[in-house]
Amino acid sequence: SQQGEEDPQALSIQEGENATMNCSYKTSINNLQWYRQNSGRGLVHLILIRSNEREKHSGRLRVTLDTSKKSSSLLITASRAADTASYFCATYFSGGYNKLIFGAGTRLAVHP
Amino acid sequence: DGGITQSPKYLFRKEGQNVTLSCEQNLNHDAMYWYRQDPGQGLRLIYYSQIVNDFQKGDIAEGYSVSREKKESFPLTVTSAQKNPTAFYLCASIGGGQGDNEQFFGPGTRLTVL
Repeated sequence: SQQGEEDPQALSIQEGENATMNCSYKTSINNLQWYRQNSGRGLVHLILIRSNEREKHSGRLRVTLDTSKKSSSLLITASRAADTASYFCATYFSGGYNKLIFGAGTRLAVHP
Repeated sequence: DGGITQSPKYLFRKEGQNVTLSCEQNLNHDAMYWYRQDPGQGLRLIYYSQIVNDFQKGDIAEGYSVSREKKESFPLTVTSAQKNPTAFYLCASIGGGQGDNEQFFGPGTRLTVL
């Protein structure tokens, strides 16, 4: 079963605009992670936010976490055509499971 | 360079055949994972292994089998019992302190059943 659900499923923007993707999950977590996948490739880790953190930054990425709403958002500022990819959130259970559960992803297209 | 390798990149299988997908890592990671990804979908967990000689079923283990005889290797066999095996298969690993570490992914194997 999938724990995280991303919204929107697809997003199309122009270069220079900001892109916001949301993720909702169902159970308590230790941390939430965001990954990026270029077409036909493996996933690359972007950022991890722990359950006791509310916001985290990495370069042009900003992630927020609201554990009361069981949701997270990923903001990419000043997007570039090279940001075109699928973005997945993944949650790490705090209930003894040693595994990440991935959502279905948001497909981002950034047009020059 | 440390990382995860998967082979082959593309694999074609006839119906009724078993095929084995290779996954090797030189990151000295204890935990390894196999995921299946269908077009436009997220990742679904097939099997995972926390240590050598131990593995657990994920959400969609039926029709698949694994072994973990060595720390660096976690091969996945897609058996003839898997009715719809055409998909993209991704292997991943996590180092110590798994709850706080990122997963490293291999480049994937695309399996097509002819």
